[in-house]
Amino acid sequence: DIVLTQSPGTLSLSPGERATLSCWTSRSVAPKYIAWYQHKPGQAPRLLFSGAFIRATGIPGRFGGSAAGTEFTLTISRLEPEDSAVYYCQYYGQRFGQGTKVEVK
Amino acid sequence: DVQLVETGGGLVQPGGSLTLSCAASGFTLGSYWMTWVRQAPGKGLEFVANIRQDGGDKVYLDSVKGRLTISRDNAKDSVFLHLYILTVDDTAVYYCARDVGYAVDLWGQGTLVTVSS
Repeated sequence: DIVLTQSPGTLSLSPGERATLSCWTSRSVAPKYIAWYQHKPGQAPRLLFSGAFIRATGIPGRFGGSAAGTEFTLTISRLEPEDSAVYYCQYYGQRFGQGTKVEVK
Repeated sequence: DVQLVETGGGLVQPGGSLTLSCAASGFTLGSYWMTWVRQAPGKGLEFVANIRQDGGDKVYLDSVKGRLTISRDNAKDSVFLHLYILTVDDTAVYYCARDVGYAVDLWGQGTLVTVSS
């Protein structure tokens, strides 16, 4: 089974800074199988990217996705306070990583 | 509006059972795989099960096989999750979600299941 490992566990940054979140897969997988989500407390999760870097409808351009080998990366340039959330990667529409908490303050 | 609305959560004793419902509106349910995802208190998201458009193929999280059953009724725009022999580890918010091929693009607000004596 594929295992997804996200790092770091928590990221604390200031508004305007850049966040880089990693999702490592235990073996090589095609980018089309990787999705990213944003989840805020009390809300439904929101799809950010499918296929590792295909931005979902309504997602601002300062969110970016990339892939290199077994590392998949979500970047948020120019952080805003409303970007505070837990971010998850997902494989094959099923298995999730453990999440990265982003705090913007 | 395109939306999913989950109902059926609540307090249940260990060993009990419960059925969660997910009502879809604003799109043709029968065109999509559908998924249930849960989040236990203080934990991350966990895939539970999904079901093919016609109900003919289902995938389950290994740890829930035999205790949870996913089903659907496209004519009634509904998806169901039947939970049996519940344990405290099943306590979670359960989300219904629409699968668009290796990702889920539409989520309900979730329904809370609490297993406690």
